[in-house]
Amino acid sequence: GAGVSQSPRYKVAKRGQDVALRCDPISGHVSLFWYQQALGQGPEFLTYFQNEAQLDKSGLPSDRFFAERPEGSVSTLKIQRTQQEDSAVYLCASSLGGQGVYGYTFGSGTRLTVV
Amino acid sequence: QQQVKQSPQSLIVQKGGISIINCAYENTAFDYFPWYQQFPGKGPALLIAIRPDVSEKKEGRFTISFNKSAKQFSLHIMDSQPGDSATYFCAARRMDSSYKLIFGSGTRLLVRP
Repeated sequence: GAGVSQSPRYKVAKRGQDVALRCDPISGHVSLFWYQQALGQGPEFLTYFQNEAQLDKSGLPSDRFFAERPEGSVSTLKIQRTQQEDSAVYLCASSLGGQGVYGYTFGSGTRLTVV
Repeated sequence: QQQVKQSPQSLIVQKGGISIINCAYENTAFDYFPWYQQFPGKGPALLIAIRPDVSEKKEGRFTISFNKSAKQFSLHIMDSQPGDSATYFCAARRMDSSYKLIFGSGTRLLVRP
């Protein structure tokens, strides 16, 4: 596709509910990153995939957060038993080269609100 | 911990003026310093970037100045326009850790007509 596509654009979840956020990267992009952006803050790194391999998950805040990219293309970020502090915009970015070497293209994000 | 410090938090500039945003970093393992522009409801978009072996880079009205010894870099927007009103983030990429980007806290720029 022309850009990085994320769905849904908005998600309201009741506390304790599980959610799944989808990212469709630019076709052929090797690297895929997930970031979390709290209101009024800069994005913070969550996890990194190179093709289907999850090479870095050091930014995932707890074991309730899980990400996968099984075929090296579409990625899903899953949050189990959502808490109010999980409310944020979740951004996906992809890059042509490994390790984001050619720069990232970000999607518009999914705004998650936990009530 | 905040590895990239950005200032000011907000900035108001008259149309045609110069907007200057500053960032400072601590970690010497950064190898790439991009600036991103973000409009409400959109993801960050790459504006301009610089590597530490270059002291200045200019693209149109946007210039990055980089001071390696001081560990500081700045974005200058010349002839600022109302359409430049957005939030700007500096970032630094860690070459020792998955090449992830560490972002500053952002500067909200308002350019008055």
